[in-house]
Amino acid sequence: GENVEQHPSTLSVQEGDSAVIKCTYSDSASNYFPWYKQELGKGPQLIIDIRSNVGEKKDQRIAVTLNKTAKHFSLHITETQPEDSAVYFCVNSGGYQKVTFGIGTKLQVIP
Amino acid sequence: EAGVAQSPRYKIIEKRQSVAFWCNPISGHATLYWYQQILGQGPKLLIQFQNNGVVDDSQLPKDRFSAERLKGVDSTLKIQPAKLEDSAVYLCASAQTYNSPLHFGNGTRLTVT
Repeated sequence: GENVEQHPSTLSVQEGDSAVIKCTYSDSASNYFPWYKQELGKGPQLIIDIRSNVGEKKDQRIAVTLNKTAKHFSLHITETQPEDSAVYFCVNSGGYQKVTFGIGTKLQVIP
Repeated sequence: EAGVAQSPRYKIIEKRQSVAFWCNPISGHATLYWYQQILGQGPKLLIQFQNNGVVDDSQLPKDRFSAERLKGVDSTLKIQPAKLEDSAVYLCASAQTYNSPLHFGNGTRLTVT
């Protein structure tokens, strides 16, 4: 846990383009890196996660990459669609069982 | 599987009143979290339980907030007395264990007037 920095805070893309959101963390003991999507009026929902023994994971149009040396991980969404519009949070689960959310990225996909 | 249930969905109270929120996690999930989400911000952890024991309550304003998880299942979060700055969405989440996916309820939107 501890600190996790997320950017950008807002992101607008044209439908069909790619979107990338980045997070950096400080706790070297961190070993689990999930990403959550939150739609209006709902709780966050897990969309993809990665563990520290893996550098990249893909699930259809969504991918997450992890660079443990640089302490950053990124969410990549390809071929964006209007229904991808939401707020996305990176989460850092580090030592001492602390779970910390980033500030969130509001993604707008323009049709 | 049934999701995380929270109630009430909305609550409006006056400052200095008390309020309680209830959470029923997914069956078998040992870890339970309460988060406070102020409009436009990310969820802030208030308290984390592992079964019925507290793992982390470092950001819980203990002079006014309290939480319990009796028998390691349901949980309640109480605020007494409420302040204007407590207006937020209170989210409950559960997980099988630490470092596993969190499953969130839809939250309770609290408005303090």
